Amino acid sequence: DAGVIQSPRHEVTEMGQEVTLRCKPISGHDYLFWYRQTMMRGLELLIYFNNNVPIDDSGMPEDRFSAKMPNASFSTLKIQPSEPRDSAVYFCASRGTGLNTEAFFGQGTRLTVV
Amino acid sequence: QQQVKQSPQSLIVQKGGISIINCAYENTAFDYFPWYQQFPGKGPALLIAIRPDVSEKKEGRFTISFNKSAKQFSLHIMDSQPGDSATYFCAASKYGGRGSTLGRLYFGRGTQLTVWP
Repeated sequence: DAGVIQSPRHEVTEMGQEVTLRCKPISGHDYLFWYRQTMMRGLELLIYFNNNVPIDDSGMPEDRFSAKMPNASFSTLKIQPSEPRDSAVYFCASRGTGLNTEAFFGQGTRLTVV
Repeated sequence: QQQVKQSPQSLIVQKGGISIINCAYENTAFDYFPWYQQFPGKGPALLIAIRPDVSEKKEGRFTISFNKSAKQFSLHIMDSQPGDSATYFCAASKYGGRGSTLGRLYFGRGTQLTVWP
């Protein structure tokens, strides 16, 4: 398996524009997590899914953020409209069910909003 | 509320020395404690993990010490090398049983380790 695949790797956009980040989890994994990483706040969990169903979205900063998981092999995180304070590295991670199962992270998307 | 507290925020160690990073957790229901290592430009990757039924786990130069009664666990890196320079995150999760937070990983804030040659 190629691991968790995120796209794009880098995104530069203007304030007010819509941004869509994409994630393909590892096949067979039934948990998917979206994290945001900044120097100030570290790794923050935004939302996570189990079997394509959102379980906890309490970390989503505000209504400008939305996430979907239409099927087991694809998820999106959308920011509309984007703001400079959204600039961060966004990670997607997936893991299977059961004890001692490891969460695998993607390479991340570095988002810069100017 | 920070479920997992990690210290120190940064650590500088000389090559060959011992690096020690500490974490404390609140929720006694946690049953899985991994450590992740992150290099610049990369996503975090699992380094080593422990379950609360053992007090220590060793893999090569990396050891987790776990103190269930104190709700603390730590990572020890023996014979630290410049290649170990990275950010280290401790985490905790509840895998067994039921609950709305089942499967979620709670991360510490991270420790930036620098090993000088």
